[in-house]
Amino acid sequence: GAGVSQTPSNKVTEKGKYVELRCDPISGHTALYWYRQSLGQGPEFLIYFQGTGAADDSGLPNDRFFAVRPEGSVSTLKIQRTERGDSAVYLCASSLRPLLAGNTGELFFGEGSRLTVL
Amino acid sequence: DQQVKQNSPSLSVQEGRISILNCDYTNSMFDYFLWYKKYPAEGPTFLISISSIKDKNEDGRFTVFLNKSAKHLSLHIVPSQPGDSAVYFCAASALDGANNLFFGTGTRLTVIP
Repeated sequence: GAGVSQTPSNKVTEKGKYVELRCDPISGHTALYWYRQSLGQGPEFLIYFQGTGAADDSGLPNDRFFAVRPEGSVSTLKIQRTERGDSAVYLCASSLRPLLAGNTGELFFGEGSRLTVL
Repeated sequence: DQQVKQNSPSLSVQEGRISILNCDYTNSMFDYFLWYKKYPAEGPTFLISISSIKDKNEDGRFTVFLNKSAKHLSLHIVPSQPGDSAVYFCAASALDGANNLFFGTGTRLTVIP
């Protein structure tokens, strides 16, 4: 597709379970970002990939959260031992170049994966 | 600690009138500012941006104003149209710092036909 694709669009799980959220960025975009948007809040940065490597994971809230991008395209956000506080919309975004390379900041966002932890 | 603040959660404006959305920031290292628009069940989409070396940037019906001394920016939409009804997020970045955007909490704009 032409845009950023995220699956699943909705995920309901029980506390303590493991969850994977997938992001398929726009073809050719080297920079990939994960954000989390809780109810009534703006998106909060989680992690940024440049190519295959996690260039900045300073936004990950704790070690239950992990993300990979093994081939420099699709990325998976993994959450272990989910807690009710993890409930949010997880947004993925991609851009042709990273912000530090003179990108105007136009990140292309997917529709998000809504995670509900019961 | 919210570094980008949008103090008005909602705004209603009559069609054809001007919409003014406000944003304040606390981090003096921010030097690039953006507005994103979000419809329900969709991801945010980029609207307009401004560099700290400018105080105004215009794109059609949308104009962003930046007041660095006050650490304040605003988005003006004129004339407002019903299709502009959405949540608007202000965002900022420090191009010599972390490679990410800091978002405000958003303002829900409703344009009344």
